[in-house]
Amino acid sequence: AQTVTQSQPEMSVQEAETVTLSCTYDTSENNYYLFWYKQPPSRQMILVIRQEAYKQQNATENRFSVNFQKAAKSFSLKISDSQLGDTAMYFCAFMKPDGSARQLTFGSGTQLTVLP
Amino acid sequence: SAVISQKPSRDICQRGTSLTIQCQVDSQVTMMFWYRQQPGQSLTLIATANQGSEATYESGFVIDKFPISRPNLTFSTLTVSNMSPEDSSIYLCSVVRSLYRNTEAFFGQGTRLTVV
Repeated sequence: AQTVTQSQPEMSVQEAETVTLSCTYDTSENNYYLFWYKQPPSRQMILVIRQEAYKQQNATENRFSVNFQKAAKSFSLKISDSQLGDTAMYFCAFMKPDGSARQLTFGSGTQLTVLP
Repeated sequence: SAVISQKPSRDICQRGTSLTIQCQVDSQVTMMFWYRQQPGQSLTLIATANQGSEATYESGFVIDKFPISRPNLTFSTLTVSNMSPEDSSIYLCSVVRSLYRNTEAFFGQGTRLTVV
């Protein structure tokens, strides 16, 4: 079974600064997907960024980028130029690519607060 | 992208009663997933709902407590039966879509259940 660990329950960052959220995972699979989802107070789960394990290049989406270290089973999220709207709970998640096992395994979450 | 309409968005229920949560997807999907998010916690998979077969439940969740229906490829319901205050949580439905090898899980808006 897969496990996902987020060791930072809460973090804060000043507006316009950069912050990095940590995530480690454990799996015996060689191919898989990793995701970062954000959940604002509205409860809606929003995809921030995805990474396929077979890709060596780190994924980027505008102000969001990841540092994917497959051997170390580490998948951190960097948010640059933090904005007040980035305040949310952030979940790291793992998915096997198998068509019959597409459910997500989530980490415990990191509450990020962007301070004005 | 996928649009999932989930309702009700919230409800307050008496202990011992049951609540049925509905999810409607804007296109056909093979599997739908139901998650529970207890207060201040991460998301935990309850079950996977396949059209035309019984749902597959995760450890700790049973069909008598969380019966699921999947009458067609765009709709599913989750019932929380004989509720107790411990069932107070957010319940979310989810589907997974892959487009051009970009895989993403989409979520309904969530149902915030309070049992009194």
